Amino acid sequence: GEDVEQSLFLSVREGDSSVINCTYTDSSSTYLYWYKQEPGAGLQLLTYIFSNMDMKQDQRLTVLLNKKDKHLSLRIADTQTGDSAIYFCAERNSGNTPLVFGKGTRLSVIA
Amino acid sequence: NAGVTQTPKFQVLKTGQSMTLQCAQDMNHNSMYWYRQDPGMGLRLIYYSASEGTTDKGEVPNGYNVSRLNKREFSLRLESAAPSQTSVYFCASSEAWGGISNQPQHFGDGTRLSIL
Repeated sequence: GEDVEQSLFLSVREGDSSVINCTYTDSSSTYLYWYKQEPGAGLQLLTYIFSNMDMKQDQRLTVLLNKKDKHLSLRIADTQTGDSAIYFCAERNSGNTPLVFGKGTRLSVIA
Repeated sequence: NAGVTQTPKFQVLKTGQSMTLQCAQDMNHNSMYWYRQDPGMGLRLIYYSASEGTTDKGEVPNGYNVSRLNKREFSLRLESAAPSQTSVYFCASSEAWGGISNQPQHFGDGTRLSIL
């Protein structure tokens, strides 16, 4: 079945850029998503990218997609303490299946 | 606009007790989902309902049942709770199912369930 892999932890200093990486196995992925989960809360959709795009920028967030390598990344510029959270990568394919989520990357921002 | 509402937010049960977790969405979404989240395991899909009147098993359905009561509501039932079901449960909904259009899932804030 489909699989989505992420590293579990990332620590960065406030003001630096964070890059969270994700790899997936499903070559028929159509949309890829990034969700953010703050402590004690549900998942919030941050951004998404369609599979025919290489890059999407939204304020401090940049999503890069390498479809050949099945690699997705989320770059957060000027990382702030409020960005500390768990970030989930998810993918959807064109068939009738729910989103497949990675296990999440816990981002810690050090002041 | 409430989005996805889950009740209760917290619950403690004894082993063997039964419980129904409630979920309602006000976005007129067709598809609804139940996940559990455990440390180091990410989100695991328990059951989903692609549309009103249908339900299907996800990755970890054992010990659970679901009911899609109407388009808005999708409940999750534990008939005989076990300590292994201690988890945070999330309900989600999306506009539609499959296809190539962007249909992100919207999540509730979760129900924290402890079984002693």
